[in-house]
Amino acid sequence: KQEVTQIPAALSVPEGENLVLNCSFTDSAIYNLQWFRQDPGKGLTSLLLIQSSQREQTSGRLNASLDKSSGRSTLYIAASQPGDSATYLCAGTMFSGGYNKLIFGAGTRLAVHP
Amino acid sequence: GAVVSQHPSRVICKSGTSVKIECRSLDFQATTMFWYRQFPKQSLMLMATSNEGSKATYEQGVEKDKFLINHASLTLSTLTVTSAHPEDSSFYICSARRTGPLNTEAFFGQGTRLTVV
Repeated sequence: KQEVTQIPAALSVPEGENLVLNCSFTDSAIYNLQWFRQDPGKGLTSLLLIQSSQREQTSGRLNASLDKSSGRSTLYIAASQPGDSATYLCAGTMFSGGYNKLIFGAGTRLAVHP
Repeated sequence: GAVVSQHPSRVICKSGTSVKIECRSLDFQATTMFWYRQFPKQSLMLMATSNEGSKATYEQGVEKDKFLINHASLTLSTLTVTSAHPEDSSFYICSARRTGPLNTEAFFGQGTRLTVV
């Protein structure tokens, strides 16, 4: 069974802290990893896509890494701000049933307080 | 980035009626779109894969007669919840990838909050 696990499930921090969100996956067939942000009652915003040939991607204060051999990805958020408060989802892509499907983790709910 | 538009964002309907949700890729063609369901504080559950010009592929446990999917063009897929019941109340989200190489980014619609009363 394909599984994607995210730790921690919830996180509350003061503004300015550097954060690490963890994602692990059990299926080596997952060939890329995508991080999303979801605000309450909203859809998903793509943050970073790390392809199987890459080890990390950076966008502004966000940095995501991928280690396929250990089945792990981390999302690093530098100098967190209250506007970063949201649920962060990681999803692995795998080819299944003839399609490229995303397998999602349960998410990390982040609250950054002033 | 690419834009996927989903409509409506919120709908309330009576039990027994049908509701149609649209998913459009605005600036790219998508041979394949995906429909997800999300329960409160839970992750996204893939319901089905929508294929342009052919039948949708449903995940195990998803009733294809309950959730009708039509992908009539390269930019539009629709999900119809038929004979809706309160237990169908949920957040439905669609996704699309650009047609092309395997390692393409997935983009999501804004989601539709369905409430069946």
